[in-house]
Amino acid sequence: AQSVTQLDSHVSVSEGTPVLLRCNYSSSYSPSLFWYVQHPNKGLQLLLKYTSAATLVKGINGFEAEFKKSETSFHLTKPSAHMSDAAEYFCVVSGYTGFQKLVFGTGTRLLVSP
Amino acid sequence: EAGVTQSPTHLIKTRGQQATLRCSPISGHTSVYWYQQALGLGLQFLLWYDEGEERNRGNFPPRFSGRQFPNYSSELNVNALELEDSALYLCASSNPAGPFYGYTFGSGTRLTVV
Repeated sequence: AQSVTQLDSHVSVSEGTPVLLRCNYSSSYSPSLFWYVQHPNKGLQLLLKYTSAATLVKGINGFEAEFKKSETSFHLTKPSAHMSDAAEYFCVVSGYTGFQKLVFGTGTRLLVSP
Repeated sequence: EAGVTQSPTHLIKTRGQQATLRCSPISGHTSVYWYQQALGLGLQFLLWYDEGEERNRGNFPPRFSGRQFPNYSSELNVNALELEDSALYLCASSNPAGPFYGYTFGSGTRLTVV
């Protein structure tokens, strides 16, 4: 079975400083991994995805994530936070077991202060 | 390309009533997924439809049901509404390749049960 653990429920940064949102996954086979973002009262938007190609994945809005199999991690980073980055971020794992669904982490709320 | 559309955006019902939520997937997507996002509980998988068939359901009672129409749009029905059914209901679709490439989410229907 697959699972993800988001290590921080809240992360606070100042505008212009780096962002790090941590995610560890568990999967019995090679997973697909995603980061989604949810702004208040909105649906989820796909930021980036890893599907067994390059381990460093670049997404939208300057975000990127690195797949590290040895550490079973898929942390999300951004060099410089912007006020508009304030949102909830979900790390997600998927894998085919004859049943297709995504398994979501519990989310990390990113707070950005001026 | 139109995204995943959900209707209505907001729905207020009385306990014991029935609610019907609708979802139109992206053109060419054959799978539709329903998720419940209740306060404090994160995203919980509800139902997966593909090619008109229910393929899997999450750990929800039978009063949560739905269907998928020949045009791949989907309906989620919640019978005998309870106060704890108040949540944001998100619909997502994926192409026939499945979730390996991620879902596209709609903006959700916020159901309030009073």
